[in-house]
Amino acid sequence: SSELTQDPAVSVALGQTVRITCQGDSLRRNYASWYQQKPGQAPLLVIYGKNNRPSGIPARFSGSSSGNTASLTITGAQAEDESDYYCNSRDISSSHRGIFGGGTKLTVL
Amino acid sequence: QVTLRESGPALVKPTQTLTLTCTFSGFSLSTSGMCVSWIRQSPEKALEWLARIDWNDDKYYSTSLETSLTISKDTSKNQVVLTMTNMDPVDTATYYCARTWDLPLSYYFDYWGRGILVTVSS
Repeated sequence: SSELTQDPAVSVALGQTVRITCQGDSLRRNYASWYQQKPGQAPLLVIYGKNNRPSGIPARFSGSSSGNTASLTITGAQAEDESDYYCNSRDISSSHRGIFGGGTKLTVL
Repeated sequence: QVTLRESGPALVKPTQTLTLTCTFSGFSLSTSGMCVSWIRQSPEKALEWLARIDWNDDKYYSTSLETSLTISKDTSKNQVVLTMTNMDPVDTATYYCARTWDLPLSYYFDYWGRGILVTVSS
């Protein structure tokens, strides 16, 4: 199986830009998808594919990728963006299986 | 409107078998390309992909759990069922079902159920 690695915690000042990263071999050939999760709620898809936002996701969320690293960028972070963020991709050793990163706790100061 | 909802027992005893049902609407698992996965989240918060079933009845399982998992579907009822045998306290988690897209360059879950907390305890 393969792994996705995320920083456990990141902080950002209100209104500033923050990048949350996800590293893994799978990301060399696949885009990461990103999920926001607030306490007591199910994960919510915020970015998928090259840089696609589902309907209702604010434009301040964007995705990018380089080599084995995918990034979720929040431009102008808002207080309501304080959440856990998870990346996901496919398992390169068995491409039909999914894998998740360990999650990043984002604090908006 | 796509919705998914998990149902099943909130408490199971160690060694028992867990059966969870995902009832969905807004799409059909008989449509080419449609998939549904089960994912769990332990109290320590990590998300773990467990299993997936596709429109053509292909099934995939987590490598570490495949001997204890079985996934099936009832297309006429819009349901996906997951069974997990020999439950252990470490299997205590919130279990989610999610619609899954397995595309050439991306793999993602666009709709999730609210989840069901399953506690394994005697």
